[in-house]
Amino acid sequence: DSGVTQTPKHLITATGQRVTLRCSPRSGDLSVYWYQQSLDQGLQFLIQYYNGEERAKGNILERFSAQQFPDLHSELNLSSLELGDSALYFCASSVGPQNIQYFGAGTRLSVL
Amino acid sequence: EDQVTQSPEALRLQEGESSSLNCSYTVSGLRGLFWYRQDPGKGPEFLFTLYSAGEEKEKERLKATLTKKESFLHITAPKPEDSATYLCAVRLGETSGSRLTFGEGTQLTVNP
Repeated sequence: DSGVTQTPKHLITATGQRVTLRCSPRSGDLSVYWYQQSLDQGLQFLIQYYNGEERAKGNILERFSAQQFPDLHSELNLSSLELGDSALYFCASSVGPQNIQYFGAGTRLSVL
Repeated sequence: EDQVTQSPEALRLQEGESSSLNCSYTVSGLRGLFWYRQDPGKGPEFLFTLYSAGEEKEKERLKATLTKKESFLHITAPKPEDSATYLCAVRLGETSGSRLTFGEGTQLTVNP
């Protein structure tokens, strides 16, 4: 168990809908990262937050947004969902100069 | 463009048959190379991090090494429980935050 908690484990929804994925980082970790893993793209970095502020952005779609709350948990919001958004979404957290990222078990999103 | 390439894509070994996985990278400003193990449907599990050419790290049957252009993950006398996908990732310069850029992975199967 990495100590990073993601909910829900599975989400099934329809095109055009909006969903929210939640991540609780390891105790004491200030950085949270979101990654998308699809069959044809591998693990792709979406966005990083550090202590409530956005730190780095990857190829995150405009339909996607994220935030990190004062208690350090983070949410990834996906809207106007398309079939191609079906993927595994992982959250990771880290702390300290080495910044080793520890991953949660992921949320599997299926858009039908 | 920063690139991480892993080979082979898939590898089948007999129990006890040692081998190596390769991760080559073309990046500027490397700030760390990471190896993760991922089991089907689960999040990546951290194995090693290497920071400078010549560095080596070991854990049980696994040994990771780093040169200026590539890293190897050596697996000695593997067991069926070593079957997984092994992911290599790099962390880049300051302007990239602490994001990880992943390779596509090597799917390892160890037969009893």
